[in-house]
Amino acid sequence: QKEVEQNSGPLSVPEGAIASLNCTYSDRGSQSFFWYRQYSGKSPELIMSIYSNGDKEDGRFTAQLNKASQYVSLLIRDSQPSDSATYLCAVLGGGSQGNLIFGKGTKLSVKP
Amino acid sequence: EADIYQTPRYLVIGTGKKITLECSQTMGHDKMYWYQQDPGMELHLIHYSYGVNSTEKGDLSSESTVSRIRTEHFPLTLESARPSHTSQYLCASSLTEQFFGPGTRLTVL
Repeated sequence: QKEVEQNSGPLSVPEGAIASLNCTYSDRGSQSFFWYRQYSGKSPELIMSIYSNGDKEDGRFTAQLNKASQYVSLLIRDSQPSDSATYLCAVLGGGSQGNLIFGKGTKLSVKP
Repeated sequence: EADIYQTPRYLVIGTGKKITLECSQTMGHDKMYWYQQDPGMELHLIHYSYGVNSTEKGDLSSESTVSRIRTEHFPLTLESARPSHTSQYLCASSLTEQFFGPGTRLTVL
């Protein structure tokens, strides 16, 4: 059974701080990794994708991937109250087919 | 503009009614998906399709059915709605990255 694990939170950080969200996965053959943001009552929105080891930066967001440790993280710099949401980690397994495996999500709260 | 659409956005119906939730995408994606999500809970994959005339059941057992006659269209049907079907239904499509529609919030009385 392929699994994606995330701490459910809530993770509470003060405005302007760095929020660090973590995710581990069980399928060593996984090739593609994604972070989604989901506001309450809304659908998930893709914010980052990462395919190779290392860091990928996009604005205030940095995704980090370590395939040896089967670990992917999302850093949010200068956190804003508008970043308060649930963040879903998703992993695509190896091979030409396959569906995304989603974690249960980490709820982030940024306090003004 | 390439996008993914769902209608209706909200639906309140009585028990026993047949309903169809519509999903269309203009991104030319072969892969399409239906998820069910209760408030504050995790996503559950209920159906997926890798192309026209291809449909599969997902990880969560569902009484709904789907069809894929056209690439851009992936409707979900409940033959006889029950209160236990009350939930949010999310449609998605993908090439490599997966994108979600806005969702349909279904309430069965």
